[in-house]
Amino acid sequence: EVQLVESGGGLVQPGGSLRLSCAASGFTFSSYWMIWVRQAPGKGLEWVANINQDGSVNYYVDSVKGRFTISRDNAKNSLFLQMNSLRVEDTALYYCARGGVAIGSAWGQGTLVTVSS
Amino acid sequence: QSVLTQPPSASGTPGQRVTISCSGSSSNIGSNTVNWYQQLPGTAPKLLIYGNNQRPSGVPDRFSGSKSGTSASLAISGLQSEDEADYYCAAWDDSLNGYVFGTGTKVTVL
Repeated sequence: EVQLVESGGGLVQPGGSLRLSCAASGFTFSSYWMIWVRQAPGKGLEWVANINQDGSVNYYVDSVKGRFTISRDNAKNSLFLQMNSLRVEDTALYYCARGGVAIGSAWGQGTLVTVSS
Repeated sequence: QSVLTQPPSASGTPGQRVTISCSGSSSNIGSNTVNWYQQLPGTAPKLLIYGNNQRPSGVPDRFSGSKSGTSASLAISGLQSEDEADYYCAAWDDSLNGYVFGTGTKVTVL
């Protein structure tokens, strides 16, 4: 069974940092692009970043460029999102999802990030 | 700011056909395939349609997708109460170098 499990969310003050993790199982993790998507409370879905199979290519939404870094460890079947200089508007439920031809063919349950003083 | 525009809401009675539109531009829908997601209340999104009109295994054939030019549509035929959810279109955008989601459509079963 394909499974994605996010962790690392929490309450952080503006300007702070958090590192999200996503543990993958049930598929060949190293064969897929992976993506992070977020959803602010009561709002729609927003793509945040994605990364290719070996971690050499990544893309970010403009609002997080220079602050967030996506990375992966294929040996540990894990995806990460390092979030620095957090802003109130980064408050959201963060999902990791599987990429590939069918982007979003698997999703985690999400981890909540709250940025507030 | 989403670059794919959807109607905020759609509704129908059980058994009816409901169609949701998704309007984009030449840099996204016009040059890349469209995916559709269903998000039931309080749950993670689920892939409903990929590659414009392909259904993943397990998705009922009541759901169908199409694309023409810079627009796409999701049709739900034989509407059921369990279809009440938010629906999002999405596509890669070559100008933004990013994956863009639609504004989302809330489907209500009357």
